[in-house]
Amino acid sequence: DAGVTQSPTHLIKTRGQQVTLRCSPISGHKSVSWYQQVLGQGPQFIFQYYEKEERGRGNFPDRFSARQFPNYSSELNVNALLLGDSALYLCASSLFGQGNTEAFFGQGTRLTVV
Amino acid sequence: EDQVTQSPEALRLQEGESSSLNCSYTVSGLRGLFWYRQDPGKGPEFLFTLYSAGEEKEKERLKATLTKKESFLHITAPKPEDSATYLCAVRHKETSGSRLTFGEGTQLTVNP
Repeated sequence: DAGVTQSPTHLIKTRGQQVTLRCSPISGHKSVSWYQQVLGQGPQFIFQYYEKEERGRGNFPDRFSARQFPNYSSELNVNALLLGDSALYLCASSLFGQGNTEAFFGQGTRLTVV
Repeated sequence: EDQVTQSPEALRLQEGESSSLNCSYTVSGLRGLFWYRQDPGKGPEFLFTLYSAGEEKEKERLKATLTKKESFLHITAPKPEDSATYLCAVRHKETSGSRLTFGEGTQLTVNP
């Protein structure tokens, strides 16, 4: 069975540019969340989507946006990139609305802003 | 606000030397405590979810336990391949799915 897949695996961008990261959840999972993980720290929650609707947002600026498609895949967009946006961006998928459910992560996209 | 604190930040063990990692949490209603293993440059790999105080789960050399304030990840007779960062996370009762609050992790090194 395919797990959570993310693309691309690595990306180098220049300050001020825009970037789009992509995530495909595990088959049957309708909830997707995005996280930012800076080197040496734990993942920080950015967004959660379920049934194409935003269900939660972390403490990130409006430069960060996301959307979910009818097939439950998702995109994370970051505008006006800053050096501090360099991080590993993780996508997690799970079931939703059911109390006891696990959350599984993809391998991440390593974004470097120069 | 949910908070997760992991200790120690780093732990170095000899092969076969058992130890425990700690995860203390503050959440006004827990809907799951999660343990993950993360190798450098990779995404977190799911290990366990615990839902209620007193619950225990085991997988190979790892055993996770849960109380009302903390969780422990016990590592019995570790091997070098157990070297990784171990992350603890909680899910608040009013959220669902994959929205978690993480600790900073414990970096474990097991020397042969």
